[in-house]
Amino acid sequence: GAGVSQSPSNKVTEKGKDVELRCDPISGHTALYWYRQRLGQGLEFLIYFQGNSAPDKSGLPSDRFSAERTGESVSTLTIQRTQQEDSAVYLCASSPRTGYNEQFFGPGTRLTVL
Amino acid sequence: AQSVTQPDIHITVSEGASLELRCNYSYGATPYLFWYVQSPGQGLQLLLKYFSGDTLVQGIKGFEAEFKRSQSSFNLRKPSVHWSDAAEYFCAVVLTNFGNEKLTFGTGTRLTIIP
Repeated sequence: GAGVSQSPSNKVTEKGKDVELRCDPISGHTALYWYRQRLGQGLEFLIYFQGNSAPDKSGLPSDRFSAERTGESVSTLTIQRTQQEDSAVYLCASSPRTGYNEQFFGPGTRLTVL
Repeated sequence: AQSVTQPDIHITVSEGASLELRCNYSYGATPYLFWYVQSPGQGLQLLLKYFSGDTLVQGIKGFEAEFKRSQSSFNLRKPSVHWSDAAEYFCAVVLTNFGNEKLTFGTGTRLTIIP
């Protein structure tokens, strides 16, 4: 079946602009995660959704970052007033339910802030 | 705070040689442990995982890992590497209190295979 999809695959923006990154999880997966991978670094957790609620937002680096999810479906990560340090690959993952299950990762969105 | 350490940033091995990638974690209890592989231009793929039980776990692509509680380690091994194994490898942990299931990743080890 279809895996996790993300769009766009690449996004180049100017400093100060807002960007929206989209994640379509695997159908039926209730848990959804956003991670960020900066060049030469490991992945950093950003936010976790269970259904459309976000019990853990502890990884969001600043109030310029926000995310929402519609039901158990699409999620959007929004970065306002982008800065150069926001340049990274943003990865989304989903898993079937809580009580721990494997997270399935999407291909990522590469964000470049000029 | 929990952390994951992968002390080797880059490893080069010859095709057919054995491989061991190191991973240590810092956490008071035994977390769930994972190894992921990221090939160029591709997403993360789970190689193997340890939750409990037998401390030697088998994964895909001929990989295995051994959990050693006394050393807080979860090293990844493969007896004979193939050129297609060239990739970035990430060790990760999840805290075992449900409801906080984020993965904490190490910084990764880049594996290069030479003929």
